[in-house]
Amino acid sequence: DAGITQSPRYKITETGRQVTLMCHQTWSHSYMFWYRQDLGHGLRLIYYSAAADITDKGEVPDGYVVSRSKTENFPLTLESATRSQTSVYFCASSDLRLAVPQGQFFGPGTRLTVL
Amino acid sequence: AQSVTQLDSHVSVSEGTPVLLRCNYSSSYSPSLFWYVQHPNKGLQLLLKYTSAATLVKGINGFEAEFKKSETSFHLTKPSAHMSDAAEYFCVVRGFSGGYNKLIFGAGTRLAVHP
Repeated sequence: DAGITQSPRYKITETGRQVTLMCHQTWSHSYMFWYRQDLGHGLRLIYYSAAADITDKGEVPDGYVVSRSKTENFPLTLESATRSQTSVYFCASSDLRLAVPQGQFFGPGTRLTVL
Repeated sequence: AQSVTQLDSHVSVSEGTPVLLRCNYSSSYSPSLFWYVQHPNKGLQLLLKYTSAATLVKGINGFEAEFKKSETSFHLTKPSAHMSDAAEYFCVVRGFSGGYNKLIFGAGTRLAVHP
């Protein structure tokens, strides 16, 4: 089915481990985003990508790495997980070529717990 | 710079009564505004958007919002709450950074609907 998917949906890991969260979209949207959602903070942008091989930092990029070798995929890696990275992570995509801004389309989220 | 403030972190209503979720925005130019809804353990879904066409915007599930420039507000309303409306609602303003449609989220309002 067309849309935006994230995997895994749930992940438990330990402090210091590397974790990769996957995001895949089938619309060929040029822009993709990673957010984290924490109580009282709404959603905060971690990284975004304007196209394949083009990425840039958002509000809270420290401790995260992204890549975008293909338009449809935008993985997020926690190089050495910390407890403060326990959160729900959302991937989103959008297409700026649309004449009217459509907002962004969100994936279902990944709930990550770092012990 | 753009920002949004959701004036209530929690709103509780009885089924069948009106819903009002309040949002004030700040923007240095004509804003694009959105309301997103997030049901428990789900991703975010676009409820409605304002993009300088009509000031009264109708969305899905009977929700609507009115853009009031003089009050810098974009409150979300529904005439009659349904149990299925219980969710978290985010007011969002579009900002620009590096040429992309950055979304700036409010902290969210949790809506509870009682029988």
